[in-house]
Amino acid sequence: DGGITQSPKYLFRKEGQNVTLSCEQNLNHDAMYWYRQDPGQGLRLIYYSQIVNDFQKGDIAEGYSVSREKKESFPLTVTSAQKNPTAFYLCASSIVDRGSNIQYFGAGTRLSVL
Amino acid sequence: DAKTTQPNSMESNEEEPVHLPCNHSTISGTDYIHWYRQLPSQGPEYVIHGLTSNVNNRMASLAIAEDRKSSTLILHRATLRDAAVYYCILRDKGGATNKLIFGTGTLLAVQP
Repeated sequence: DGGITQSPKYLFRKEGQNVTLSCEQNLNHDAMYWYRQDPGQGLRLIYYSQIVNDFQKGDIAEGYSVSREKKESFPLTVTSAQKNPTAFYLCASSIVDRGSNIQYFGAGTRLSVL
Repeated sequence: DAKTTQPNSMESNEEEPVHLPCNHSTISGTDYIHWYRQLPSQGPEYVIHGLTSNVNNRMASLAIAEDRKSSTLILHRATLRDAAVYYCILRDKGGATNKLIFGTGTLLAVQP
């Protein structure tokens, strides 16, 4: 089945630890995105990438890092510099054009701090 | 980025139509109107989008006001599985990033 796979579904981070969230897509989309969602809030953009080996900061990039070495994969690392990492993290992908691009989302990773 | 305003919550009865309103008075001529919905503990799901004309698909209908300052998402027969948060989002057709600006949306409760 085509779609976006995020893993793990639940993740726990210790103080001072970096953790990496996985996002893989088989939709052949060029663009991929990472969002953060806090309870009762909408999604906020962390990072996005429109092509392999290139990515840009979103609205809340501090404390996060990404890589885009393959078209299918866009992992997100939550670094120890992110002081409030507890949230629901969502990955999405889309084609890139000037039309009404539809974004397809994964099922999310819920990150908690121990 | 142009903003949207939606009611915090709405209630509907099963098998009845639901009209979810959205105000976007600062919409520009190149903004698409998108609707996504998010079921509990899941990622958002695309529902429908439009630019100027009303749109229909298998999930819903989108009615866009003539001045484009407001729109309404119509679920023709609500089911319990339609209980979700519905987001109305403006997406700039000419934008470089395809960024979606999510507000807090409308929480739709469906009663049996």
